[in-house]
Amino acid sequence: DQQVKQNSPSLSVQEGRISILNCDYTNSMFDYFLWYKKYPAEGPTFLISISSIKDKNEDGRFTVFLNKSAKHLSLHIVPSQPGDSAVYFCAASRYNFNKFYFGSGTKLNVKP
Amino acid sequence: EPEVTQTPSHQVTQMGQEVILRCVPISNHLYFYWYRQILGQKVEFLVSFYNNEISEKSEIFDDQFSVERPDGSNFTLKIRSTKLEDSAMYFCASVRSTGPQETQYFGPGTRLLVL
Repeated sequence: DQQVKQNSPSLSVQEGRISILNCDYTNSMFDYFLWYKKYPAEGPTFLISISSIKDKNEDGRFTVFLNKSAKHLSLHIVPSQPGDSAVYFCAASRYNFNKFYFGSGTKLNVKP
Repeated sequence: EPEVTQTPSHQVTQMGQEVILRCVPISNHLYFYWYRQILGQKVEFLVSFYNNEISEKSEIFDDQFSVERPDGSNFTLKIRSTKLEDSAMYFCASVRSTGPQETQYFGPGTRLLVL
């Protein structure tokens, strides 16, 4: 089941610079997209979401962009901080919220 | 801040044994989920639960799995006869309601090891 893909398993960024994490999906029926952050031995923590009626949503240092025609979303973190180092998962769902599909995750390392 | 809790944090069991993983979702939430993450792999959906019944389940959620909300606060996942490949982190999650602004909150997970 590869409906949500994160093709970069890891990303390394210098502190203060922008981190861009990418996610692609195949199911055009998805209405709702989320980004989660996960530290080892902890559950995923919600970061930011976007519905399919928008193409951008911003929350502090985090911005999610949605390109429906390309079935692509990205998470921008500006400026990146060492505490942002974690695994980031994108997830997608229909608004019925019955099932969420997760990508395989991108491990972000922000170097001081 | 309200949180989803899970017990136990770790469980070791012999193949063929039954295990019950417990979750206490956030109190005013209505939708509940179980996910699992096998080491090194993606988070996989298992089952969603609403109004005391399963809303949707994945192909992983076969007859060996069952869920229950026995007392209005706990949400349990039972694996009747564990297999080696059931070893994973199991996450419970809950959502207050459906809608574009709703957030799915995850518990810290239970690490299940089947020997």
